[in-house]
Amino acid sequence: RKEVEQDPGPFNVPEGATVAFNCTYSNSASQSFFWYRQDCRKEPKLLMSVYSSGNEDGRFTAQLNRASQYISLLIRDSKLSDSATYLCVVKITNAGKSTFGDGTTLTVKP
Amino acid sequence: ETGVTQSPTHLIKTRGQQVTLRCSSQSGHNTVSWYQQALGQGPQFIFQYYREEENGRGNFPPRFSGLQFPNYSSELNVNALELDDSALYLCASSLDRGRGGPNTEAFFGQGTRLTVV
Repeated sequence: RKEVEQDPGPFNVPEGATVAFNCTYSNSASQSFFWYRQDCRKEPKLLMSVYSSGNEDGRFTAQLNRASQYISLLIRDSKLSDSATYLCVVKITNAGKSTFGDGTTLTVKP
Repeated sequence: ETGVTQSPTHLIKTRGQQVTLRCSSQSGHNTVSWYQQALGQGPQFIFQYYREEENGRGNFPPRFSGLQFPNYSSELNVNALELDDSALYLCASSLDRGRGGPNTEAFFGQGTRLTVV
């Protein structure tokens, strides 16, 4: 079993749709959580950190459930420009290692 | 732009050769992490350097080595290249404030695409 698992998708949604991605992690010592976005053949870019209380940035909402060891990302009112691969990242503070999931691919269609 | 630069952007090497990839970290960052990303997969952690010392290593053989310089730039060296080493190699820099300090997010360079033939 992988340390960080994501549904690979692809998710194909129309513009304006709401879409949610889940990510599960196996190491209960994990303390830092992030969502990154990666466009085709580009480097990953930080989308948002995930805080214990949940956090929102515009159309994006991230939540953390420590008891069940999963993280979610909700995208509301999808735009064509949201089409990308979304990577879940888990880190054990000060352990030096960030563990990435394999990503979930989203395609938003007109 | 993240301020993290990698060189070269593309590279073709022959099996058995050695390669050195370079990364300049973002100003003010003291930590550099290296990742290998194969097609269709997420980045796989190779190792991290914090203040010129290795600070964690992933499941990669010893022929993957690295170092960090006093200005926090870093190199990744791969010896005895194999066909499976063909991938995008990503460098990420961050600011770690030591034990007890909060982690900061990592910013990636554009990557070096290595092809081994």
